[in-house]
Amino acid sequence: NAGVTQTPKFRILKIGQSMTLQCTQDMNHNYMYWYRQDPGMGLKLIYYSVGAGITDKGEVPNGYNVSRSTTEDFPLRLELAAPSQTSVYFCASKSQGESKNIQYFGAGTRLSVL
Amino acid sequence: QKEVEQNSGPLSVPEGAIASLNCTYSDRGSQSFFWYRQYSGKSPELIMFIYSNGDKEDGRFTAQLNKASQYVSLLIRDSQPSDSATYLCAVDTSIIQGAQKLVFGQGTRLTINP
Repeated sequence: NAGVTQTPKFRILKIGQSMTLQCTQDMNHNYMYWYRQDPGMGLKLIYYSVGAGITDKGEVPNGYNVSRSTTEDFPLRLELAAPSQTSVYFCASKSQGESKNIQYFGAGTRLSVL
Repeated sequence: QKEVEQNSGPLSVPEGAIASLNCTYSDRGSQSFFWYRQYSGKSPELIMFIYSNGDKEDGRFTAQLNKASQYVSLLIRDSQPSDSATYLCAVDTSIIQGAQKLVFGQGTRLTINP
C-alpha cells in the first residue's frame, strides 16, 4: 500500500515550458487535492476533486489545469511556466469513510522555474 | 478572502514544558479546524481536528476552539525534542459537505530545547 505517490520529486523548468506533475493514490479515495507551498509559508489549495470527472478551483488556480479521469490519478498541468510557480507542490487524498477528516499527503514535488 | 493567521515564530520552548500555538480565522461560518505538523523537508501530517467549542485532548496534545472569538489553539504538554517542527493551522471553508477545502495559516515554527 503505497499511499499517495508524486512524480517527479524534483524538476527544473525554463520559463515558458510546460509540464505535468503526476499524483496517484491506491487507497480508493474520492477526494484529491493539489497544494503549493512557498518557502516559509503555509499551503495554498490550487485545485481539488470530489471524484472522477469532477474538479473545482481552489485559492490559486491561475496558471494550472487538472483532470480526473480515474479515481486513482489527479495530474496537475503547468502551462507556460513562470518564476512565480517555483514552489513545492503537494498532492493529497481523503476518503469519505471512517478516516474522512484526514488528508494524506504525498512526499511533494520541488519545482524551480528559471 | 478567507484568512487564517498564525504567529510564524520561531517559538522556543524548553523540554518538558507546555508549548502553546495559536491561530485566528476570519470566516465566522467555519465549522472544522485542523492542526498539521510538518517536519523540515517533509509533507504535512494531521495531528488534531476539532469541530466543537471547548477542548479536545489526544495524548499530549490538546486542541482548543472558541468560535465566538474565532480562535483555535494547540497545546503540547511535556514537550519533546521530537516535537520540533512547523505547526500549520487549517480551516475548512467548503460549502460542500465532506469536500474539505482547507485554508492554511503560514505555520508556526516550534523548537524544543533539550
